[in-house]
Amino acid sequence: GAVVSQHPSRVICKSGTSVKIECRSLDFQATTMFWYRQFPKQSLMLMATSNEGSKATYEQGVEKDKFLINHASLTLSTLTVTSAHPEDSSFYICSARDLGGGVYEQYFGPGTRLTVT
Amino acid sequence: GENVEQHPSTLSVQEGDSAVIKCTYSDSASNYFPWYKQELGKGPQLIIDIRSNVGEKKDQRIAVTLNKTAKHFSLHITETQPEDSAVYFCAASMSYGNKLVFGAGTILRVKS
Repeated sequence: GAVVSQHPSRVICKSGTSVKIECRSLDFQATTMFWYRQFPKQSLMLMATSNEGSKATYEQGVEKDKFLINHASLTLSTLTVTSAHPEDSSFYICSARDLGGGVYEQYFGPGTRLTVT
Repeated sequence: GENVEQHPSTLSVQEGDSAVIKCTYSDSASNYFPWYKQELGKGPQLIIDIRSNVGEKKDQRIAVTLNKTAKHFSLHITETQPEDSAVYFCAASMSYGNKLVFGAGTILRVKS
């Protein structure tokens, strides 16, 4: 149980285009999903917290107009990187909290490698 | 806000030996401490966690200890195997619904 999927696993896009990444909780409902960014050999940096049916809460320094987050259902959250630039190239990881299990546990997706050329 | 420090940054052990990774946190209000294992190119996998009302928790070869007074917690892996090689992250969180603050990570290499 507690499986989180992401799609796509890898994406290459050209500078100036937009990319959408999906995060799904496959076998549980998640009112809260989180989006992280991870640079090579570094830790996870929280970008935003996404609650189902409401606007996402962004961490300081994260541009909300550039990283659009939508959490339309209890099993799906999306991150759209708008007008992507090479510096947006990174590993993006989502996580979800399982309502039915312990209230603390957070399960991570496999990540999406974004490369902007 | 919360700050989590993790040591060591790299750890090499011989297969069969034990490995210990330590983390300290700054905010005494933190009450949930998970450990994640991340393999190359994959997302972090929750391997064990502990809450502030418990001092120790064990799951087969993995154990976590928590010292609330000193504000530090540790991951213990016994009888290490090559497949334990990965990056391990500790994290801390304050109560239900709150975000995780991660340590910098430890690269564990188990030599066979």
